[in-house]
This record gives sequence, structure tokens and C-alpha cells, in this order.
Amino acid sequence: DARVTQTPRHKVTEMGQEVTMRCQPILGHNTVFWYRQTMMQGLELLAYFRNRAPLDDSGMPKDRFSAEMPDATLATLKIQPSEPRDSAVYFCASGRGTGGSEQYFGPGTRLTVT
Amino acid sequence: KNQVEQSPQSLIILEGKNCTLQCNYTVSPFSNLRWYKQDTGRGPVSLTIMTFSENTKSNGRYTATLDADTKQSSLHITASQLSDSASYICVVSDFGNEKLTFGTGTRLTIIP
Repeated sequence: DARVTQTPRHKVTEMGQEVTMRCQPILGHNTVFWYRQTMMQGLELLAYFRNRAPLDDSGMPKDRFSAEMPDATLATLKIQPSEPRDSAVYFCASGRGTGGSEQYFGPGTRLTVT
Repeated sequence: KNQVEQSPQSLIILEGKNCTLQCNYTVSPFSNLRWYKQDTGRGPVSLTIMTFSENTKSNGRYTATLDADTKQSSLHITASQLSDSASYICVVSDFGNEKLTFGTGTRLTIIP
């Protein structure tokens, strides 16, 4: 049963620290998405990649967030420096890269910045 | 600006009863509409995907309808079970890309 995996599942850190979240997409999927979910805003798209190339990162605060795909099996989302307002659940999703294709979500990383 | 609105925000029903969740959207041009189920502490899981030409799609006890003219969709749950307790999120994709616009969800609670 292929699944998107994310690590860590939970992260508590102090303001100003760097946070790195990792995602392993489903093998064979060529599109990877990063989302953030908060109670107030719901799910928001931060960035997405196709074939490891960034297609859209307009949802990310550029000064502190960065997203990369070092290889086809790993996507990373970094926050440096972290702030309390970054506290949220961060989801990674992967898909096959066509407009109507399904997106499969990982279990999320719950980030708390104190 | 593309928007997806859902109602009600929350709903409590007795086990075994039916319920209907609503979704209105302003996404244009429209590509497809999806309903996701999100259990507490988990990622969303797709229930249905409908394109412009489809007006109904079922997945077990879940039936989604789509009226592309009025830009409305509904999710009907039949004979609810305790495991149906979750948030249900309506998501709309605009034509030509994979960017999704998410509703804020309906929190459904089934009580025995």
C-alpha cells in the first residue's frame, strides 16, 4: 500500500530556530505539493514541484521558507528563522501530474513554535 | 479571487441518519471538484473527483453531486456510521493546473 511519508510527525521548537520537514512521495509520482493547515485559514498551498522542478511557490513567505527536491524520493520544506505564527500542520501530497489527477496526502508534520 | 465556501461549519447527527453537506465555489475556469475526508490527526483522503461533465458520483455510502451552472456541489452521506465523524473538505481545481482551492470544511460528528 503506497503512501506519502513525512518526518517528523511532531516538532516543537523555539522561535528563531531552523526547522526542516521531509517528505517521501509515492514512488512514480512526479508532482509534489506542500500545504499548511491552520484552524483559521484551513489548507493553503505553499509550493509545488513537477519532476523536481519548482512550478509555484507563491504561497510561501520567501524570506523564511524554502522548498527543495534534492531527488525524486525526497522533498524538504525549511523554515529559518521560525516564528510562532508558523505553528500549523504541514502536509505533503504527491500525484501523477495531470490537471485532474488525484493528490495523495501524507500524515502531516505538526509544528509548534514557542 | 477563487473561493470555496462550505456549509454548515459543523453538524451533529445520530448514527444511522443521513446528512447532506454543501459547497459553493467561484473558481473559474473550472476543471474538477473533489471531496476529501479528513480524520483528526490525519491527512485528507479523497472521496470523489468530478469533472464539468459529471453531475453525480458515488463512493459507497457517499454520493457527491455537482451543478456546474450554479457552481454548487453537495455530499450526501447515507446511513451514517461512527467512523464518518471527520471533517469534509470541498476542493476545486481550475483548468490547466493542479492548484487547488480548499474550502474550510464541515466538521461532522456522528453520535450513537
